[in-house]
Amino acid sequence: GESVGLHLPTLSVQEGDNSIINCAYSNSASDYFIWYKQESGKGPQFIIDIRSNMDKRQGQRVTVLLNKTVKHLSLQIAATQPGDSAVYFCAEFQAAAGNKLTFGGGTRVLVKP
Amino acid sequence: NAGVTQTPKFRVLKTGQSMTLLCAQDMNHEYMYWYRQDPGMGLRLIHYSVGEGTTAKGEVPDGYNVSRLKKQNFLLGLESAAPSQTSVYFCASTARGNSPLHFGNGTRLTVT
Repeated sequence: GESVGLHLPTLSVQEGDNSIINCAYSNSASDYFIWYKQESGKGPQFIIDIRSNMDKRQGQRVTVLLNKTVKHLSLQIAATQPGDSAVYFCAEFQAAAGNKLTFGGGTRVLVKP
Repeated sequence: NAGVTQTPKFRVLKTGQSMTLLCAQDMNHEYMYWYRQDPGMGLRLIHYSVGEGTTAKGEVPDGYNVSRLKKQNFLLGLESAAPSQTSVYFCASTARGNSPLHFGNGTRLTVT
């Protein structure tokens, strides 16, 4: 069943195109960032992470970019596939704030065949 | 390995009833977290634990209590359920704070 919000920002993308999902984080002291993917009825799954001493990290078909100056994080998915349809969340970790991991509101990605 | 297991998967409560949600992990993780997920709100941290015998408040702790008596288990209690606690609850664990969380599949709770 549906486990995520009905009013999330939605990104519609054609199969095979690249997707870019953006996230603004709140705390300049955050030192670790993670992107999660959540499919309907399931818990979030780890995609890729990046530490604050980096500005780019690449995985398989995914790239995360970190711009600390404007507190912005993005996830790029290359050659988007139908299986990429899901809700994507960014999360920021602050060791100085008691080791809390705080999530952003999420973006729904719909892949059109 | 089973990973993170949450029980029950679904539950319906009446206002004022109490219940406990159980989270169990078999990865020997130190850190465990309870989140709730509501439509349009993303995931909000309720309580978390950085080790056996420790707990700390998150963003939305009111109306909930937790216990971490054993390293592998993290219990979330609702003493007197309210309709505002209708939500999907997710438990997660990780070996250390700055590493990816492993999530369970959630507990869907409805309070009428």
